[in-house]
Amino acid sequence: GENVEQHPSTLSVQEGDSAVIKCTYSDSASNYFPWYKQELGKGPQLIIDIRSNVGEKKDQRIAVTLNKTAKHFSLHITETQPEDSAVYFCAASNELTGGGNKLTFGTGTQLKVEL
Amino acid sequence: DAGVIQSPRHEVTEMGQEVTLRCKPISGHNSLFWYRQTMMRGLELLIYFNNNVPIDDSGMPEDRFSAKMPNASFSTLKIQPSEPRDSAVYFCASSPPPTGLYNEQFFGPGTRLTVL
Repeated sequence: GENVEQHPSTLSVQEGDSAVIKCTYSDSASNYFPWYKQELGKGPQLIIDIRSNVGEKKDQRIAVTLNKTAKHFSLHITETQPEDSAVYFCAASNELTGGGNKLTFGTGTQLKVEL
Repeated sequence: DAGVIQSPRHEVTEMGQEVTLRCKPISGHNSLFWYRQTMMRGLELLIYFNNNVPIDDSGMPEDRFSAKMPNASFSTLKIQPSEPRDSAVYFCASSPPPTGLYNEQFFGPGTRLTVL
């Protein structure tokens, strides 16, 4: 089955700096890579995703890059703000497997944005 | 939309007792997922259903765990008997039928289970 590794487990940055979280996956058939943000006491929420037919996707201060050859993908947050402090999870899925859209999650990164 | 609804939000029970967690997915969604989150193991998929049918239960830790989805608007996760190592936050998530390759899972607020 799929195995997703995520680094770092904790990340502390100064407000305004950039933050980068990296993930690797094992199944070359995986073709969908979402990122979820989990705030304290809440369930994870999708913030951005990328499919294997593109190498980069951007949404305002958030961008995700994908290297299919190396089987790794990264989340980039620019101009970090205190409200970006949360746990971030990467995930991978093979949408070709059909019904259920099973995701395999990484172990999470606790991001802290300090004033 | 009310989002995914889970109950109870918190459950404290004693070892050996039966625990039932409940989930109401978003209306119109046809896939439902049960996850367990702990500090040690992160977010683990326990089981998921598609059109009320269990598709993959390989993540269910042992026979003490069982899940049902009797209809499109309700699912339960039962632990019997419960053990202290079952203490965790249990999340339910649902996703709509794929439109193109749409795949987002919407998570509920979770149930924090403590087994004493």
